Amino acid sequence: AQSVAQPEDQVNVAEGNPLTVKCTYSVSGNPYLFWYVQYPNRGLQFLLKYITGDNLVKGSYGFEAEFNKSQTSFHLKKPSALVSDSALYFCAVRAEYGNKLVFGAGTILRVKS
Amino acid sequence: GAGVSQSPSNKVTEKGKDVELRCDPISGHTALYWYRQSLGQGLEFLIYFQGNSAPDKSGLPSDRFSAERTGGSVSTLTIQRTQQEDSAVYLCASSLGGRGVSYNEQFFGPGTRLTVL
Repeated sequence: AQSVAQPEDQVNVAEGNPLTVKCTYSVSGNPYLFWYVQYPNRGLQFLLKYITGDNLVKGSYGFEAEFNKSQTSFHLKKPSALVSDSALYFCAVRAEYGNKLVFGAGTILRVKS
Repeated sequence: GAGVSQSPSNKVTEKGKDVELRCDPISGHTALYWYRQSLGQGLEFLIYFQGNSAPDKSGLPSDRFSAERTGGSVSTLTIQRTQQEDSAVYLCASSLGGRGVSYNEQFFGPGTRLTVL
């Protein structure tokens, strides 16, 4: 069975500073990893994904994520945070031949000006 | 182009009533998913449709829940004899299918907020 852990319920960062939202996963076989963002009263929006290849994946709005197979992690990063990045972020994993996308509990990101 | 749409956006019902939630996926997306988002449980997978294959119903929490997808497009999630613990936001998502279905990103609708009194 797959699982995702997002160890921080909330991350606070000052505008302009780098941000990291942590994610670790467990899955049998090769993982497909995703990050989604949810703004208040809106659906989930896709940010980026890792399938194979380069461990550093770049996505929307300047976000990137680094896949680390040995640490089974897929942390979300951004070099310079914006107030508008404040939202709820979900990490998700799907097994290579699985039907189910399994989500972490989510991390609230608060960026203060 | 148009995204995933869901209706109604909000539904308030009384305990014991049946409800139907509708999802219109993105045109051309053969894979369709239903999820439930609630405070205590986070985002839970409910059911997955892919083309003409038998759906994966492994996430449905009880036999009161069912879903169908007509003509490979619109999907309806039905909850019979609703209970208060069914209160949640029900999200629908669609994606491209085929061999890459496992790694194709899913596009989510805005959700239906269900409140069972």
